[in-house]
Parts: sequence; C-alpha cells; structure tokens
Amino acid sequence: KAGVTQTPRYLIKTRGQQVTLSCSPISGHRSVSWYQQTPGQGLQFLFEYFSETQRNKGNFPGRFSGRQFSNSRSEMNVSTLELGDSALYLCASSLGHRDTGELFFGEGSRLTVL
Amino acid sequence: QQPVQSPQAVILREGEDAVINCSSSKALYSVHWYRQKHGEAPVFLMILLKGGEQKGHEKISASFNEKKQQSSLYLTASQLSYSGTYFCAARESTASKLTFGTGTRLQVTL
Repeated sequence: KAGVTQTPRYLIKTRGQQVTLSCSPISGHRSVSWYQQTPGQGLQFLFEYFSETQRNKGNFPGRFSGRQFSNSRSEMNVSTLELGDSALYLCASSLGHRDTGELFFGEGSRLTVL
Repeated sequence: QQPVQSPQAVILREGEDAVINCSSSKALYSVHWYRQKHGEAPVFLMILLKGGEQKGHEKISASFNEKKQQSSLYLTASQLSYSGTYFCAARESTASKLTFGTGTRLQVTL
C-alpha cells in the first residue's frame, strides 16, 4: 500500500513569508505527527493529531500551527518565516492506538528560508 | 528534555559489535528505536514497553530498564547496511508525545 506522502518535497521562501506543508498518511492510519529535523537539534516534536484533534504539542512558538482533516490528511503552517525555520519537516503516521506500533515517516519537506 | 544517546558517533569494521545507549531523566512508558540512512526517512526498528523486556530483530536487539530509565540497542556482527543514524524515542505515558533522542551516527566499514 502507499506510504506517507508529503508535499511539496522542496521549497524556498523568504523571511516573513508563510508556508503550508501537506501530509497524506497511510490509508487507515488515524494519527499524524510532525517533526522538525535540523543538524543541530535533531528531531524535534511539533504536534500530534488523532481524529482531527490535536493530542500533543511541542515547544514551538505560535507561528507553527497544524490541523487534521476528516480523511486524516494533515497540514502544518508556519507564518512569518525566520531563517532558523530552515529544516526538514517530517510527517509520520500510525494507526493511532496508544503506542502499540511504529511511526511510518514520509520523505519530508525541505524548507529553505532566505 | 530529549533522551541522551551515547556514543554520539561510532565507526565499526564489518562483523564487529556495537551498543548504543539511550538515557532519560524521566520515567518512561516505552522506548522506540529508529534508523535513518542519509537522505532517507527514519525507519522503525522496534518498540519496548516497560517491563524490562528485550526484543530482537535479526542481529539487532534491545533492552529496556525502566527503573534506570535506560534502553540499549545491540548490533551484532555488523553489516555495511547498518550504517546510518540511530535514534531512540521515548514516551512518558501512553498519552504523551514521542520524544526523539540526540542520535548516534554509526558507520560500518570494510
């Protein structure tokens, strides 16, 4: 079956702009998590959604937001982009049952802020 | 606060063994292990729930000591395909977020 799909794969923005990233989970998966990956900070948790509800949120400023739709697809938005937001944004899906299984990651969206 | 892994990096010759440790300052409910090859997404290796169980996956196994809030990943008879960055990830409870560790970069050479 199809894996986790993230779009766009690459994008370049300038400071002050906003960006929306999309994630389509594996069919049947109801939980979607977002992570920011940078060389210096590793994988940092952004948010987790289950059945359209935000279940957990990481320690990121309010400029970072997300949502999940009824078909489990998820989007994250970053407003007023800063240079430090340049990173690989990874989306992961899982069945949603509490910690009984693995996260399946997408290839990521690589954001460059100039 | 994210779990701390040690060592940060290790170089092995093919066939050698390695141990990667993951330590948390908080009580843990579960520990996951993932491997990420360069330019690819992280891939799940195994999950361990509290209870001190040990799991195996071919020549890769792991243990979880909930009292010490530590987990270790054991790689035996390493192969070139084992190269990559290994991450542990931990939950404090069934409802908490999954926090990834600092990562261990492993390189296997001929």
